[in-house]
Amino acid sequence: EVQLVQSGAEVKKPGESLKISCKGSGYTFASYWIGWVRQMPGRGLEWMGIIYPGDSDTRYSPSFQGQVTISADKSISTAYLQLNSLKASDTAMYYCARLRTVTTPFDYWGQGTLATVSS
Amino acid sequence: QSALTQPRSVSGSPGQSVTISCTGSSSDVGGYDYVSWYQQHPGKAPKLMIYDVSKRPSGVPDRFSASKSGNTASLTLSGLQAEDEADYYCCSYAGSYAAIFGGGTKLTVL
Repeated sequence: EVQLVQSGAEVKKPGESLKISCKGSGYTFASYWIGWVRQMPGRGLEWMGIIYPGDSDTRYSPSFQGQVTISADKSISTAYLQLNSLKASDTAMYYCARLRTVTTPFDYWGQGTLATVSS
Repeated sequence: QSALTQPRSVSGSPGQSVTISCTGSSSDVGGYDYVSWYQQHPGKAPKLMIYDVSKRPSGVPDRFSASKSGNTASLTLSGLQAEDEADYYCCSYAGSYAAIFGGGTKLTVL
C-alpha cells in the first residue's frame, strides 16, 4: 500500500526555521516525484514545487522560488520542505504528494502538516 | 502566476447535476491536456478525482465527468449525493516543470 507519512504539527516563532518531512512507503520512492502543496487557513491549494528523489532534480513554482527549499534523501525514502525566516503568513497546512511524472497528477497525498508561526 | 479561475461556490439538490468551471490561459489549461481535479473534504487531504482532462482513477464513480474546451476545463457531477459536498480544485500543468491550481469551488448539496 502506497503511503506518505508527514511529520507532526509544528509551532514556531517568527524568524525561526522549519523543516517538514514526508516519508514514502509501498513503492519505489526514488522513481516518483514528490511535490509540496500549501494551504493557508481557509484558502485554496498552492503548488509549491517538486523533487525527483532519484537524482534530486528540483523545480519550484515562481511564487515559491527562493522562499522554500525542497530536498530528499532516497536512502531513507524521505522528502523535506524547509522554510527559513518564518513569518506569520507562513502559517498553513503543508501537504506532500506523489506524482509519476511532471505532467501527471498527484495520486497519493500525505496527511498534511500544520505549521503555526506565532510570537 | 495567478491561480486558475473557478467559481467560489456552486450548489445543487440531491440527484441534480452541477458543473464547475476552471479557466486559465493558453499557457496552462489551453496548452496541455493535463488538467486534473481534486476533491477535498474539511480537514482532509485532497483526493484525485479526474486526470488528463477526463480520465477517472480507479474507484471514482462515473457520476464524475470532465472535459475541456479552449482555456476552460469543466467538472460535472451528476446525480448529486450528500457526500459530494466538498471543495473542488482544478490543476493544470503550466510548462517548465510546474503546475498551477485553481482557487477552489465549494460545492453545497442542498
